[in-house]
Amino acid sequence: EVVMTQSPLSLPVTLGQPASISCRSSQSLVHSNGNTYLNWFQQRPGQSPRRLIYQVSNRDSGVPDRFSGSGSGTDFTLKISRVEAEDVGVYYCMQGTQWPPYTFGQGTKLEIQ
Amino acid sequence: EVQLVESGGGLVQPGGSLRLSCAASGFTFSSSPMHWVRQAPGKGLVWVSRISTDGGGATYADSVRGRFTVSRDNAKNTLYLQMNSLTVDDTAVYYCTGDRGSVGDSWGPGTLVTVSS
Repeated sequence: EVVMTQSPLSLPVTLGQPASISCRSSQSLVHSNGNTYLNWFQQRPGQSPRRLIYQVSNRDSGVPDRFSGSGSGTDFTLKISRVEAEDVGVYYCMQGTQWPPYTFGQGTKLEIQ
Repeated sequence: EVQLVESGGGLVQPGGSLRLSCAASGFTFSSSPMHWVRQAPGKGLVWVSRISTDGGGATYADSVRGRFTVSRDNAKNTLYLQMNSLTVDDTAVYYCTGDRGSVGDSWGPGTLVTVSS
């Protein structure tokens, strides 16, 4: 099973400042077809998860361009260029390369300080 | 607009059964593998099960294999999760989610399953 490890688990950020979340996998997430199935999700308080980024760096429709994803192999990062109040919530990475099972990171709680 | 709506959750005693449903609309349901993901109170997201587009292939997390069965009715645009031999550890909000290109493109509001005596 691929273990996903996120850091930090808690992320206090000042409004307008950047934020960065790391996600590391215990095995390479490069699929035999050449794609890397690493996705990022946001879960605002009291809401369902919402996908922000798929296959490392592709932003989903309607996701603000202040969100970006990068990385390769076993090391991935979600960056928010300027944090806004609506970004408060928990962020999860998830791998879909080596399944079953699909595995999520523990989650990173972003809060405004 | 893509929409997923789960139903069927509720309170059940340990050892009991429940059948969850997920009604899909706004996309070609029969072309999308589908997943169930759960979230215990105050905890993170955990993948439960995946079913292929035609329903012929199903995979499960170790924690539910042999107790849960995923199925789909493409004519009704509906995904199901039959849950048997429930334990308190199965208490969670259960979400269905799509897989158009990659997992998690759309999510329902979830349905709460509480296993308690």
